[in-house]
Amino acid sequence: NAGVTQTPKFQVLKTGQSMTLQCAQDMNHNSMYWYRQDPGMGLRLIYYSASEGTTDKGEVPNGYNVSRLNKREFSLRLESAAPSQTSVYFCASSGAYRSNQPQHFGDGTRLSIL
Amino acid sequence: KNEVEQSPQNLTAQEGEFITINCSYSVGISALHWLQQHPGGGIVSLFMLSSGKKKHGRLIATINIQEKHSSLHITASHPRDSAVYICAPSGGGADGLTFGKGTHLIIQP
Repeated sequence: NAGVTQTPKFQVLKTGQSMTLQCAQDMNHNSMYWYRQDPGMGLRLIYYSASEGTTDKGEVPNGYNVSRLNKREFSLRLESAAPSQTSVYFCASSGAYRSNQPQHFGDGTRLSIL
Repeated sequence: KNEVEQSPQNLTAQEGEFITINCSYSVGISALHWLQQHPGGGIVSLFMLSSGKKKHGRLIATINIQEKHSSLHITASHPRDSAVYICAPSGGGADGLTFGKGTHLIIQP
């Protein structure tokens, strides 16, 4: 049982380059999330998808776009990477977008922007 | 926005000690999550509670909704408990979870 799978695990980009972080879950969850984790700060929500076909901005959406490709997959795109986007990115999923649902996390993507 | 404070930020203890990590938040919530982040970076959900107390093995989580406070206890601590512990209160709806900065726990043999 893979749970939540993120690719790639590591990536180095140059300023201005674009890339897409992939996330897939095999738990038939309705809701999916993208977070970033920076030193000295808690996880911050970038975007979320409460259900297939919907996406909404979180706390720090600027510079990112997302696509809920189907129920399993939720991708995060950086159109023009900036050094401020150097971070560890986590994808998560839950059965429903409610506070009483535990979230399951991927292993993270470590992204460096030079 | 919910302000979340965890204490202590860092804790080093000896194997076998009883560990307590505290979490306070500023806005009333419907549930609170405790998460564990391993040294390798992976994050797992430990507990989700909305009242009272939950126990799983050597881990115990309590919450006082009126006081806006939760604690995570580890009994008979072991070096494999070394990790970052994160609390995340949730009011539900569009706000989702608000994450604390985490408590970095090291258990020495």
